[in-house]
Amino acid sequence: EPEVTQTPSHQVTQMGQEVILRCVPISNHLYFYWYRQILGQKVEFLVSFYNNEISEKSEIFDDQFSVERPDGSNFTLKIRSTKLEDSAMYFCASSLGQISGANVLTFGAGSRLTVL
Amino acid sequence: AQKITQTQPGMFVQEKEAVTLDCTYDTSDPSYGLFWYKQPSSGEMIFLIYQGSYDQQNATEGRYSLNFQKARKSANLVISASQLGDSAMYFCAMRGVSGNTPLVFGKGTRLSVIA
Repeated sequence: EPEVTQTPSHQVTQMGQEVILRCVPISNHLYFYWYRQILGQKVEFLVSFYNNEISEKSEIFDDQFSVERPDGSNFTLKIRSTKLEDSAMYFCASSLGQISGANVLTFGAGSRLTVL
Repeated sequence: AQKITQTQPGMFVQEKEAVTLDCTYDTSDPSYGLFWYKQPSSGEMIFLIYQGSYDQQNATEGRYSLNFQKARKSANLVISASQLGDSAMYFCAMRGVSGNTPLVFGKGTRLSVIA
């Protein structure tokens, strides 16, 4: 079964460092997303990406965050200067479309970011 | 804006029994989709079931069924014949189908299946 692949599974970084989280969405999917889940809390939307541009972003997705699809397969989330409160599980997801069952998001296993 | 409410922080169920996890929602979108995801202790988000707002019948997927009551704005998940492996966090979520609206999650319900 096709899956969304995320790397690294766990990253520990010092406050102020840059972090890049990588994702390989399902190959025929057209819509890509990043979500985050702070430990014990609900899953929060960060950003959606379609046709090589951001289509929607939340208040959390400030200037410290950026996304990129550098080639035909990878989808990355960059945090420029990490803060303690960025510690969370970051989920990448993709979907085929927006209508009916095609808008089901398939999630990766997540990348756990710990900022010290 | 969409909002999902899950009022049960935790639920217990005996193995082989059925359990209902509650979910209510609010939206101004005329057309939307409702989803349930399972998050086991390993952390991944596993898609379980989807219900479109204009679907005539309630969705079913194996032991999972979605009790969709549009007038009440509820989309409860029913798990039949619970198994120990069903112990996990369960999230209800929704998204509109107009534009690329994001999937919005509830706070989740932790289900514990007892042998």
